[in-house]
Amino acid sequence: QSALTQPASVSGSPGQSITISCTGTSSDVGGYNYVSWYQQHPGKAPKLMIYEVSNRPSGVSNRFSGSKSGNTASLTISGLQAEDEADYYCSSYTSSSYVFGTGTKVTVL
Amino acid sequence: QVQLVQSGAEVKKPGSSVKVSCKASGGTFSSYTISWVRQAPGQGLEWMGRIIPILGIANYAQKFQGRVTITADKSTSTAYMELSSLRSEDTAVYYCARDRESGSFDFDYWGQGTLVTVSS
Repeated sequence: QSALTQPASVSGSPGQSITISCTGTSSDVGGYNYVSWYQQHPGKAPKLMIYEVSNRPSGVSNRFSGSKSGNTASLTISGLQAEDEADYYCSSYTSSSYVFGTGTKVTVL
Repeated sequence: QVQLVQSGAEVKKPGSSVKVSCKASGGTFSSYTISWVRQAPGQGLEWMGRIIPILGIANYAQKFQGRVTITADKSTSTAYMELSSLRSEDTAVYYCARDRESGSFDFDYWGQGTLVTVSS
């Protein structure tokens, strides 16, 4: 199972919006509405930010939103803040297993 | 308040095995799936496998088939991940993670991670 493809890095200024893409295949991202997104700060465990493509867990800022079109899912962070600087990973369920994305480093300029 | 607490760091020789534990508190242990995810230094996340304690059934990523064993002890609410035939490429932080709700396909609760270093 190959990792989902994400851009290595995305940057933006405070207050701006950025979007991270996550491209898979019809066997994972395109085949299930079970795409989730995780935020990871250095030395910390990942944190669930979005589940089932576009749902936010309780406590996650509404500045984070998710969507999917075909085999590509996206995470948008609006009103970028310094605390959003972290690594982000997408994940998809796929036939009794899971695959993660390659990861995207978000830098707040 | 769900918490997953993992065992401490390990240093292992190539060819040996390591067993990492993950003790859950808060919530009903057996009803949720526990997955194991690893992260090599400077690398991304990699799903290794999972177990449904109430069924005692585990399934594994193809990459780790035959080398990883995930078990669960319902009496102590503890899940275990054993990786054998260790090689230097297995040096990583190993996380346990629980699904957000029973039957969901995402991971809402994570252990603190256990660093396993494989070195001769």
